[in-house]
Amino acid sequence: QVQLVQSGAEVKKPGASVQVSCRALGYSFINYGITWVRQAPGQGLEWMGWINPYGGTVYAQNLQGRVTMTLDTSTTTAYMELRSVASDDTAVYFCGRSNYCSGGGCANYGTDVWGQGTAVTVSS
Amino acid sequence: EMEMTQSPATLSVSPGERGTLSCRASQNIGNYVAWYQQKPGQAPRLLIYAASTRANGIPARFSGSASGTEFTLTINSLQAEDFAVYYCQKYDHWPHTFGGGTKVEVK
Repeated sequence: QVQLVQSGAEVKKPGASVQVSCRALGYSFINYGITWVRQAPGQGLEWMGWINPYGGTVYAQNLQGRVTMTLDTSTTTAYMELRSVASDDTAVYFCGRSNYCSGGGCANYGTDVWGQGTAVTVSS
Repeated sequence: EMEMTQSPATLSVSPGERGTLSCRASQNIGNYVAWYQQKPGQAPRLLIYAASTRANGIPARFSGSASGTEFTLTINSLQAEDFAVYYCQKYDHWPHTFGGGTKVEVK
């Protein structure tokens, strides 16, 4: 069964770092990129960035310098680290499978598989 | 920065009726638009990509269309399970911005 399984909820103090993991199961991990999206309480979806299966990344401008996305192909797991968190980083963080990649190129057919979400709360 | 503007913010529809949701891009983005459905406490679900192609397993009552920078999601004969929030997303170039969402509620 194709699925993405995310790590559990986190509570962090302002200024700390948080890492969310996203394990891919049931498909060829090296053929798809991973998108990260977050959703603050009662708000819409915010695109955070994307990592291709070769490790190349694109980040949202407002998160540049604070976010790092990585892959571990040996465990088919993607990671998103956010540093220097503040209260407005409180959100549910989602990973999603997007962009089929093969032969050095990628094609986008939407984000078709999603993780269950990881709640991150930033509070002093 | 490119914006995706969805309207209306809330759409009140009776079960069995048609719902029409709009998404306007501030620049030409070709047909690089996806639509997602999200229910409370759940992850988004891909409905449509390339403006009009239904994703795997999506019922035929969901359809997408495009005219210039205007994109439309139509839900024919709304079912109980269709009441949710819907988002459009552009993916022509980075960033892959989402619209603000349209909540489809029971009239």
